[in-house]
Amino acid sequence: KQEVTQIPAALSVPEGENLVLNCSFTDSAIYNLQWFRQDPGKGLTSLLLIQSSQREQTSGRLNASLDKSSGRSTLYIAASQPGDSATYLCALQGGSEKLVFGKGTKLTVNP
Amino acid sequence: NAGVTQTPKFQVLKTGQSMTLQCAQDMNHEYMSWYRQDPGMGLRLIHYSVGAGITDQGEVPNGYNVSRSTTEDFPLRLLSAAPSQTSVYFCASSPRGTSPLTEQFFGPGTRLTVL
Repeated sequence: KQEVTQIPAALSVPEGENLVLNCSFTDSAIYNLQWFRQDPGKGLTSLLLIQSSQREQTSGRLNASLDKSSGRSTLYIAASQPGDSATYLCALQGGSEKLVFGKGTKLTVNP
Repeated sequence: NAGVTQTPKFQVLKTGQSMTLQCAQDMNHEYMSWYRQDPGMGLRLIHYSVGAGITDQGEVPNGYNVSRSTTEDFPLRLLSAAPSQTSVYFCASSPRGTSPLTEQFFGPGTRLTVL
């Protein structure tokens, strides 16, 4: 059974810092991996989707990488801002049409 | 486009009552799914559909029914509500119904409390 782990569960950084969020998974046979952002009391917003054949995707200050052999993905946020404060979730699709989610990392960026 | 819409936003039920959570999307997406989100458990897949007339079970399907009679709608039915079903429910959709799935679009959620 695929398991997705996100460490740490919470992270607090000062504004302007570059940071990395981690996502690890136990089964490397995946179709894709997706990073989401969730604000308190809201739904999920898709940030980046990395297909199995890709190694990274970039959108603005965000860069996501995928290393299937080591079972890891990272989300890099450059020059963090207070508006980046949210919970970040990774989810991956394995051998069926199902997504498996990690429990998320709650990020706080302090002014 | 309205995207993925969910109704109601909030609901309180008594144990044993039944209800239907509504989900609709106007993007002509093939794939739709329901998740529940609980503290410390993350998001767990309840049921999903890869197209009209096709549904399948996810990780936690017990106590829930779904149907997909149209591309646009994917209602989730609670047959006999239990306190363990207190949760926030999210509906999501995606353009493709076959693997690999593409970007998932989420609705705003329904917060359900069962007394």
